[in-house]
Amino acid sequence: ETGVTQTPRHLVMGMTNKKSLKCEQHLGHNAMYWYKQSAKKPLELMFVYNFKEQTENNSVPSRFSPECPNSSHLFLHLHTLQPEDSALYLCASSQDSGSANEQFFGPGTRLTVL
Amino acid sequence: GDSVTQMEGPVTLSEEAFLTINCTYTATGYPSLFWYVQYPGEGLQLLLKATKADDKGSNKGFEATYRKETTSFHLEKGSVQVSDSAVYFCALFNTNAGKSTFGDGTTLTVKP
Repeated sequence: ETGVTQTPRHLVMGMTNKKSLKCEQHLGHNAMYWYKQSAKKPLELMFVYNFKEQTENNSVPSRFSPECPNSSHLFLHLHTLQPEDSALYLCASSQDSGSANEQFFGPGTRLTVL
Repeated sequence: GDSVTQMEGPVTLSEEAFLTINCTYTATGYPSLFWYVQYPGEGLQLLLKATKADDKGSNKGFEATYRKETTSFHLEKGSVQVSDSAVYFCALFNTNAGKSTFGDGTTLTVKP
């Protein structure tokens, strides 16, 4: 596989469930990102990891918990979500987070919280 | 902080029409500028970029020129196709702050 992959592509969960989103990049990049894309709202940057270290957390509620075990993998652990958390969650990667390199995006996970 | 303002959509055009999507920005220093495109059911992908003033980025018939004096990076295409229907995002990367900022996105629909 090449590029940035995300699993699952679709997820429906109740407010009391715990689930995880997975992102994998096969590009040899050192920076990875989570974005939230909601209908009729701007793209929201959630977290940034650079060389496995979290460098940005944009005031994201603690019910979202990121994990970056290595430069190729990024997870977003979800628990006790709210219906307003329903959105498309996009993962991206770039060579590193400190320079003007192109970000490569995955296809996203469409999350529905019931 | 930095900001990117895009022309509000949705934009609907007939095939072969001329396209302009306006984008202006505010940022400290000299940011790099990008246009990304998101086709239905997919993530964003880079369409073109420019890293310094007066640079012109171009790809797939689209082009945009980095205008420092007007802090703009308008996207243009001379003749759109149905397959260009997508959401277009203008973005900047602030080298000083090490951060990207995206515009709200403009939805383009091209009708045959």
